[in-house]
Amino acid sequence: GAGVSQSPRYKVAKRGQDVALRCDPISGHVSLFWYQQALGQGPEFLTYFQNEAQLDKSGLPSDRFFAERPEGSVSTLKIQRTQQEDSAVYLCASSSSGQGYYEQYFGPGTRLTVT
Amino acid sequence: LAKTTQPISMDSYEGQEVNITCSHNNIATNDYITWYQQFPSQGPRFIIQGYKTKVTNEVASLFIPADRKSSTLSLPRVSLSDTAVYYCLVVFNAGKSTFGDGTTLTVKP
Repeated sequence: GAGVSQSPRYKVAKRGQDVALRCDPISGHVSLFWYQQALGQGPEFLTYFQNEAQLDKSGLPSDRFFAERPEGSVSTLKIQRTQQEDSAVYLCASSSSGQGYYEQYFGPGTRLTVT
Repeated sequence: LAKTTQPISMDSYEGQEVNITCSHNNIATNDYITWYQQFPSQGPRFIIQGYKTKVTNEVASLFIPADRKSSTLSLPRVSLSDTAVYYCLVVFNAGKSTFGDGTTLTVKP
């Protein structure tokens, strides 16, 4: 069966541009997570959805970051006016349950480079 | 959130058993302990999860003492393909997870 997919896999943006990163979770998965992973570090939590409801966005680093999951399936992470410090791998994960301690299935990530 | 501490790196040889210990002194009653493995250019992959005592699956064992302030991931008979970064997480019911910087395991021939 299909796993979590993310697109694009690589994105180069000039500083100041807006970008949109897409996540297709495993079909039927209730929970969806976004993480940011800088080089050599572990993933940092950004935000969490249960179906279409964004239950936790405490990890979003600034108001330039915005995530949505309007129909409870596909999610988009949008970064406005990108800065160099936004360069990282953005990981999406989904889980079959609304309970946080269920196994998360990760996508391959989108590597964002801001020049 | 409970913070986790684990060694930055470990070396081992093929065929040996590897034990990676993680401390999580501030773990709360409802928290679960979860371990993930990550290869370069891939997303993390779930290995094992537990609440207390011992859990075993086809790839690893997880030992959790009664006070739950630490846990040990045990990988039996590692191979070169087990070279990866291993993350210990304390997972909330609410969904938020804190990964930390992980342990880089290098398996040598």
